[in-house]
Amino acid sequence: EPEVTQTPSHQVTQMGQEVILRCVPISNHLYFYWYRQILGQKVEFLVSFYNNEISEKSEIFDDQFSVERPDGSNFTLKIRSTKLEDSAMYFCASSGRSDQPQHFGDGTRLSIL
Amino acid sequence: GQNIDQPTEMTATEGAIVQINCTYQTSGFNGLFWYQQHAGEAPTFLSYNVLDGLEEKGRFSSFLSRSKGYSYLLLKELQMKDSASYLCAVLGNAGNMLTFGGGTRLMVKP
Repeated sequence: EPEVTQTPSHQVTQMGQEVILRCVPISNHLYFYWYRQILGQKVEFLVSFYNNEISEKSEIFDDQFSVERPDGSNFTLKIRSTKLEDSAMYFCASSGRSDQPQHFGDGTRLSIL
Repeated sequence: GQNIDQPTEMTATEGAIVQINCTYQTSGFNGLFWYQQHAGEAPTFLSYNVLDGLEEKGRFSSFLSRSKGYSYLLLKELQMKDSASYLCAVLGNAGNMLTFGGGTRLMVKP
């Protein structure tokens, strides 16, 4: 069964450094998403992406965040200058249509020191 | 605003049936989704409802009443591996974002 893949599985970074989290969505999916989950808390929406542009973003997704689809397969989330509170599990998801189930990758655990 | 409520924890016995309820108040609605999440892992899609009624999928069923802002997930023939968190999520109108509840942690005992 096709799946969403994310790399790396764990990223440790010093505060203030830039990080790029990578995702390969399911190949025939058109809608892409990033969510995050701080330890012990609920899953929170960050951003949705369709047709090479952002469809919606949450309040969390401030100027320090950006997304890109650099080629036909990858979808990346960049955090420009990381803060301690960015420590969380970051999940990439994709769906074939806007109203279809979103399928999640295994996540990247981001630890900011 | 968005408000999704589900019980924090539930306990059930192996082989039994358990119903996990979810109530929601959201500014837009395009469907209600249920996910399973084992500790430290990704949410895995289980079932969803767009229209009122019951959707059955093997041991898992989900029900929706849009007029009442209410859904439930029914798990039959419980197995030990069903011990996990069950997340209720509403798909809104804007940008296909899923808004998640806090999850219900289900413990299945022998």
